[in-house]
Amino acid sequence: GENVEQHPSTLSVQEGDSAVIKCTYSDSASNYFPWYKQELGKGPQLIIDIRSNVGEKKDQRIAVTLNKTAKHFSLHITETQPEDSAVYFCAATFSGGGADGLTFGKGTHLIIQP
Amino acid sequence: DAGITQSPRHKVTETGTPVTLRCHQTENHRYMYWYRQDPGHGLRLIHYSYGVKDTDKGEVSDGYSVSRSKTEDFLLTLESATSSQTSVYFCAISLAQVTNTGELFFGEGSRLTVL
Repeated sequence: GENVEQHPSTLSVQEGDSAVIKCTYSDSASNYFPWYKQELGKGPQLIIDIRSNVGEKKDQRIAVTLNKTAKHFSLHITETQPEDSAVYFCAATFSGGGADGLTFGKGTHLIIQP
Repeated sequence: DAGITQSPRHKVTETGTPVTLRCHQTENHRYMYWYRQDPGHGLRLIHYSYGVKDTDKGEVSDGYSVSRSKTEDFLLTLESATSSQTSVYFCAISLAQVTNTGELFFGEGSRLTVL
């Protein structure tokens, strides 16, 4: 089955700086790579995703890049703000087939220092 | 808002007792999932369903069973709870109606403590 590794486990950055979280996956058949943000006491919330026919996707201050050859993808947050503090999860799956669900990384606790 | 309601939101129980967690959705979605979240492990899939009475095991299914007798409800049962099942349980749905497109939307979670 799929295995997703996520680094770092904790990331502390100054407000206004950029943050980068990296993930690798093992199953070359995976073709859908979402990122989730989880605030304390809440469920994970989908913030951005990318499919394997695209190398990069941006949504305002958030971007995701995908390197299918190397089997890694990254989340980039620019101009970080206090409300970006949360736990972020990457995930991977093969979509278009069955209902197998997402395989998640173990999460990155992002801390934005004022 | 994907219209997911989990109940109970918090439960404390004793080892050996049965526990059932309920996930209720209001919009007739086909695919439903149960995950558990533990520190250092992220989210791990327990069971999932792709229709009424159609369920399958995930990565960490031992000690859990599920049922889906109607589209809107997906039940997770711990027949005899153990301390290792202390966790936060999340229900998720996919908005896809036919072919699963991958996106999952999560409920607010059910925190279970087994003493």
